This record gives sequence, structure tokens and C-alpha cells, in this order.
Amino acid sequence: QKEVEQNSGPLSVPEGAIASLNCTYSDRGSQSFFWYRQYSGKSPELIMFIYSNGDKEDGRFTAQLNKASQYVSLLIRDSQPSDSATYLCAVKGGSGTYKYIFGTGTRLKVLA
Amino acid sequence: GAGVSQSPSNKVTEKGKDVELRCDPISGHTALYWYRQRLGQGLEFLIYFQGNSAPDKSGLPSDRFSAERTGESVSTLTIQRTQQEDSAVYLCASSSTSGSYNEQFFGPGTRLTVL
Repeated sequence: QKEVEQNSGPLSVPEGAIASLNCTYSDRGSQSFFWYRQYSGKSPELIMFIYSNGDKEDGRFTAQLNKASQYVSLLIRDSQPSDSATYLCAVKGGSGTYKYIFGTGTRLKVLA
Repeated sequence: GAGVSQSPSNKVTEKGKDVELRCDPISGHTALYWYRQRLGQGLEFLIYFQGNSAPDKSGLPSDRFSAERTGESVSTLTIQRTQQEDSAVYLCASSSTSGSYNEQFFGPGTRLTVL
């Protein structure tokens, strides 16, 4: 079992729809969770982070965390063609470590 | 500086040669990370530094790969006797270790091509 798992996609959604990206992780001691967006040929850029159960909203983006199910998701409302990119889930371990484990990413295509 | 910088941005080398890749983290960031990303693939963890020490170097693929960091600042990733399978983008990131969230900030990467 991979430490951080994501569906590679591509996930195709029409413009204006909600895109839902999912990530599961294996280390129950993980404390912080991050979503990065990576455009083709570019470096990853941070979109959101979340560390407590529940939802965290920032503009069109909502991160959801369920530690009991070891599941974190990213919702993108009113998806735009410019949201088309690969979305990487990253998990930071418990206290004392600053190592991050990245999933392989989900490719999102927003169709105009 | 304002962000993480890496040099060179592109490196083309011949099989068997040694290469050095450089990373300048954000000032004050004590944690520094190296990742490898092959074309169309995810991020492969190589090594991370806490200050000048490397608590986890488990991702280095072979003994041809080594990294060092001096002065809690610049880091160099060295690949000896390069092979074609070493061709990839090498990404460096840094993060603060104070506070709770410690998000990583990435540099632009070095694209390595081994002929």
C-alpha cells in the first residue's frame, strides 16, 4: 500500500461544475495535510493546508479532512479551464518529523 | 531572497559525467528538501535536511547520489557517473520549522538530461 494514494485521472469536469479530488493516507500519526497545484512544466504551488477534522474554505477551494477514515479531499467550485492542472496531495508526519509524503497527483481537466 | 532558487535551470550532460545541482532556500527556512520528478510522474522524495544534518536520506536511489548543506543555507545535490535514467527535473523546496503548518515552497527546478 502506498503511503499517500490518489487517483491519477484524468478527471474531466465541465466549466462551472464542482471538481472533487480525493486522497487517502496510511500513517495515522500524520498531522498536516496539503494540496498543491502543478501546471505542466512548472513547480508545485501550495493551494491549501488543513490540520483539523472538518472543512476549510478559501475562495472557490474547500479542503475536507477525516482523520478517522484517513481521507482528505479538495473541492473546487465553479471550475475554470485555468484550474486544469495536476493536483498533488502531501502529508506531513507527526511531531518530530518534517518529512512530507506526496501522492502521485490527480490530473484535472476543466472543459470549456 | 524572495523565493527558493535553483541552478542551473537546465543541464545537459553525457553519460558517466558528474553533475552538481544547487539550491538556495528561502532565508530563515531550516528545512530543505530534494525531490526528483520524471516526465509525467509524481514527486519522488530524495532527502531532507534539518539545519545542516540529514535525518532522512532514505530516498537517495543509489550511492551515486549525495547531498550536503552548509551554513543552514545552500544545498548541493551531486550525481556521480550519471546514467540516462537520472534524466528528470530535480526540485528543491524549503520550509520553516517554527509554527504548526510548515508548508513547503518549491524552487523552479533543474531539468537534467543525460545523453
